[in-house]
Amino acid sequence: DTAVSQTPKYLVTQMGNDKSIKCEQNLGHDTMYWYKQDSKKFLKIMFSYNNKELIINETVPNRFSPKSPDKAHLNLHINSLELGDSAVYFCASSQDRGLSTDTQYFGPGTRLTVL
Amino acid sequence: AQTVTQSQPEMSVQEAETVTLSCTYDTSENNYYLFWYKQPPSRQMILVIRQEAYKQQNATENRFSVNFQKAAKSFSLKISDSQLGDTAMYFCAFMKRWKTSYDKVIFGPGTSLSVIP
Repeated sequence: DTAVSQTPKYLVTQMGNDKSIKCEQNLGHDTMYWYKQDSKKFLKIMFSYNNKELIINETVPNRFSPKSPDKAHLNLHINSLELGDSAVYFCASSQDRGLSTDTQYFGPGTRLTVL
Repeated sequence: AQTVTQSQPEMSVQEAETVTLSCTYDTSENNYYLFWYKQPPSRQMILVIRQEAYKQQNATENRFSVNFQKAAKSFSLKISDSQLGDTAMYFCAFMKRWKTSYDKVIFGPGTSLSVIP
């Protein structure tokens, strides 16, 4: 009964490849997020979707494209992977009520290593 | 821009002792939320405790409590009776309003806590 799940847990790939990370939440939440945690453990938001609509888009290269087929899923597709993309990527979700004050629930993270 | 600072990159505490992790933040907002998240070696981010800025009473959650000083923009986490399972990175986080109605969480750089047997 995992609340927020991500696949894969580990992803090792060559520079220049295209890869996707999938995220699913079974909490019935309206809002989902992608965060990137770099090698120094600094955690920074990348994207946020509310009911499949993009609402937060931080300064992220165009090679990163989130896709939300429905409000329970938010996948992250990365084109032309670069060495600097190596990080742990976290998906999260929260129940949105407009002026949302709800806590974000995080997935287990996906460790991406670009060789 | 809002910022969150954790001035202690690493800390250690003896098992069963008490430890306090510090966090300060900078904002011009009046209504906001503060969180402490724990990230154990398994990497998962786990919510430890949450505080609403409009509440003067400090939040508590079992062995975890906060000292929220709004005027000083300080939000420290106290862990009592430390256990080995408390070993983790601890992130202080601030939730502000972004655009009109959606909130954006800003995380501090983290404090690595080691509980020593």
